[in-house]
Amino acid sequence: IAGITQAPTSQILAAGRRMTLRCTQDMRHNAMYWYRQDLGLGLRLIHYSNTAGTTGKGEVPDGYSVSRANTDDFPLTLASAVPSQTSVYFCASSANPEADQQFFGPGTRLTVL
Amino acid sequence: GQNIDQPTEMTATEGAIVQINCTYQTSGFNGLFWYQQHAGEAPTFLSYNVLDGLEEKGRFSSFLSRSKGYSYLLLKELQMKDSASYLCAVCNNDYKLSFGAGTTVTVRA
Repeated sequence: IAGITQAPTSQILAAGRRMTLRCTQDMRHNAMYWYRQDLGLGLRLIHYSNTAGTTGKGEVPDGYSVSRANTDDFPLTLASAVPSQTSVYFCASSANPEADQQFFGPGTRLTVL
Repeated sequence: GQNIDQPTEMTATEGAIVQINCTYQTSGFNGLFWYQQHAGEAPTFLSYNVLDGLEEKGRFSSFLSRSKGYSYLLLKELQMKDSASYLCAVCNNDYKLSFGAGTTVTVRA
């Protein structure tokens, strides 16, 4: 059982380019989340999805978009990357959107130059 | 808004006990989580408290006081593998997690 996977593991991207970070879970969890983690700031919620077909904005949604076409996949897209989006991105899932343990993917380290 | 405070760093000796405090001021409360994160890895779940009191799970215990907006994570019989960051996260009114910046614990021999 893989749990939750992310791709790519790391990426260096030129500013202005479009980039999609992939996230897939095989636990049939209803809720999925995207966080970014920056030194000294902790994890901050970018977007979330309580169930397939729905999405919502988190604390820092600007410059990012998500979709949830099915239960397993929750891609995060940067339409036009900027250097301030350099960060480590974690995808997570939980069985339900209520106060439930979240399982995190291994992360994607993104550098925007 | 959310305000979650925890110490930046702590150092302790192998076999000792360390207590990591977390204070919070949030819009609503639906429980408090502690996660462990080793360097370069994903956070992993340690504990969840929604009622006041102490929850013990092996060498790790977590305490919550809702009236004081306070929690702590207690790590006993420290081992080298416990060197990691410990993240305090509050579940707010809309069931989303707000994380503190994390406490880096270094265990020395």
